[in-house]
Amino acid sequence: AQKVTQAQTEISVVEKEDVTLDCVYETRDTTYYLFWYKQPPSGELVFLIRRNSFDEQNEISGRYSWNFQKSTSSFNFTITASQVVDSAVYFCATAGDSWGKLQFGAGTQVVVTP
Amino acid sequence: GAVVSQHPSWVICKSGTSVKIECRSLDFQATTMFWYRQFPKQSLMLMATSNEGSKATYEQGVEKDKFLINHASLTLSTLTVTSAHPEDSSFYICSARDQTGWYEQYFGPGTRLTVT
Repeated sequence: AQKVTQAQTEISVVEKEDVTLDCVYETRDTTYYLFWYKQPPSGELVFLIRRNSFDEQNEISGRYSWNFQKSTSSFNFTITASQVVDSAVYFCATAGDSWGKLQFGAGTQVVVTP
Repeated sequence: GAVVSQHPSWVICKSGTSVKIECRSLDFQATTMFWYRQFPKQSLMLMATSNEGSKATYEQGVEKDKFLINHASLTLSTLTVTSAHPEDSSFYICSARDQTGWYEQYFGPGTRLTVT
């Protein structure tokens, strides 16, 4: 069984500050996948990234970056120079079987104020 | 990119009635679709996995007779909430898995159900 823990319920920052969202996962699978999704107030999930368990390289995409550390079972997400449009709920998720069933964390609400 | 639509985007129904929600993959074929439920300020909880041409697989605690799922074609899955009650009010989200790769899963925009 998979489990994802997002300990931060809400993070409030002022625009241009950096914000890091924590994600800790548990799995017994050797092969698994990790995801981050953004859910703005509209409700529609926006896919941000997918990582497989064999690829521990960190990734940067514009203002977004991800730090995958297998040793600590963490897959943290950083938004650099935050903007008001970054205000949303961010979910970390994992999938371990070939069916692709996603196990979501509780989500972290990010509030960016001008 | 791949697009998944849901219809309706919101619906209000009276207690005791049934509501059908459609999930369509618009530009790809989906052998598998997933249905999630999200209560306000909570996470997404997987309700069931819908496979084209076969019975859906329900997660523990989800009443299969209450939440009827039909996946009759490679582009359409439907979720029917039967005899709806106020506690069924929630945001229902579907996702569709592109049959070319299991991990490519695309989410619909969601359907907000309010039962009065």
